[in-house]
Amino acid sequence: NAGVTQTPKFQVLKTGQSMTLQCAQDMNHNSMYWYRQDPGMGLRLIYYSASEGTTDKGEVPNGYNVSRLNKREFSLRLESAAPSQTSVYFCASSEFATMPFFGPGTRLTVL
Amino acid sequence: GENVEQHPSTLSVQEGDSAVIKCTYSDSASNYFPWYKQELGKRPQLIIDIRSNVGEKKDQRIAVTLNKTAKHFSLHITETQPEDSAVYFCAASREGGSYIPTFGRGTSLIVHP
Repeated sequence: NAGVTQTPKFQVLKTGQSMTLQCAQDMNHNSMYWYRQDPGMGLRLIYYSASEGTTDKGEVPNGYNVSRLNKREFSLRLESAAPSQTSVYFCASSEFATMPFFGPGTRLTVL
Repeated sequence: GENVEQHPSTLSVQEGDSAVIKCTYSDSASNYFPWYKQELGKRPQLIIDIRSNVGEKKDQRIAVTLNKTAKHFSLHITETQPEDSAVYFCAASREGGSYIPTFGRGTSLIVHP
């Protein structure tokens, strides 16, 4: 039982490159989330998916797209990476009426 | 939308002292207030929470208090130990359905041996 897994753990991109961050959970949770964490800014919600087949924007969605592939997987795509997207990205999942359980994070640097 | 302010941003204490972190929120409809702890290089983990029908909750050396009228809540850690050193995040949310918490900016707690 791995909980929430994220790949890759680290990534370096050049400005303008694209990439997809992968997230999977094995807890049979309905809801999944993507957050970014920047120094002094806390955890800011990018997108969330309340259930399979639905996605909604969070606080900072610009420059990102998401796909809820199935109940287990929720991916985050950067179509054209910018230095402002350098951050640590956390995926999380939760069951009804519970708080998000976080994955280990992906550290992304955009040069 | 909800806005959560958290203070201080950094807190340095000696081992054995108490530590207090304070948060305020703006949305009077928020009724659930979790606290997360994030050790260096690791994921945030839920450590304690409080609901709006409760004024205080304790779990060993950790306690949370809530003042709904003033819209503020606090985390209290007594008899601090070096392993308490971490970043602590408060959050506010509405119960029901998917919880979409709004987080504070975090407090870096340093406990000196």
